[in-house]
Amino acid sequence: TQLLEQSPQFLSIQEGENLTVYCNSSSVFSSLQWYRQEPGEGPVLLVTVVTGGEVKKLKRLTFQFGDARKDSSLHITAAQPGDTGLYLCAGLTGTASKLTFGTGTRLQVTL
Amino acid sequence: DSGVTQTPKHLITATGQRVTLRCSPRSGDLSVYWYQQSLDQGLQFLIQYYNGEERAKGNILERFSAQQFPDLHSELNLSSLELGDSALYFCASSDGGSDNEQFFGPGTRLTVL
Repeated sequence: TQLLEQSPQFLSIQEGENLTVYCNSSSVFSSLQWYRQEPGEGPVLLVTVVTGGEVKKLKRLTFQFGDARKDSSLHITAAQPGDTGLYLCAGLTGTASKLTFGTGTRLQVTL
Repeated sequence: DSGVTQTPKHLITATGQRVTLRCSPRSGDLSVYWYQQSLDQGLQFLIQYYNGEERAKGNILERFSAQQFPDLHSELNLSSLELGDSALYFCASSDGGSDNEQFFGPGTRLTVL
């Protein structure tokens, strides 16, 4: 069974702070996706990273895929209350069509 | 709005009962995925259909079954319900591309009393 461990599990910060969420596995993934889920809604895809070492930026969010394609990180600069939600990473293996979701990081940004 | 619709939004039923959850994928998407999300288990993959045929199976109980119809909508049937089946059930769809980017519906919250 492939496991994706996310850390931290919970994070409560104030507006304007920076934060990093980590997604780690012992398995190699062909691609890795990050989703954000708000209460009562389904996860929304933020980004897909495919190449080892790849860095993608989405406004204040920076996503990185590890060189060995076993881990990923999400860095948020100057967090805002609108960033509040559950952040999920999900890995795709080359031979399977199903995503393996991480354990999730619940972020709360307060004024 | 992801373009994926799910009905009903909420469902309350009793143990031992059977329910059907419905999902309509985004226009043009051939793949439909079902997930269960509970507080202590995270987002668990149940099953995938592609153009009417079962493509992949995850941690789906034998009491649960699904199908995808010719118009590509899908139904998830849950029978002999137990208290532990209470959860959010999400449907997602994708176009089957190599990165398998999935678009999720708003979910059905099932409460078994």
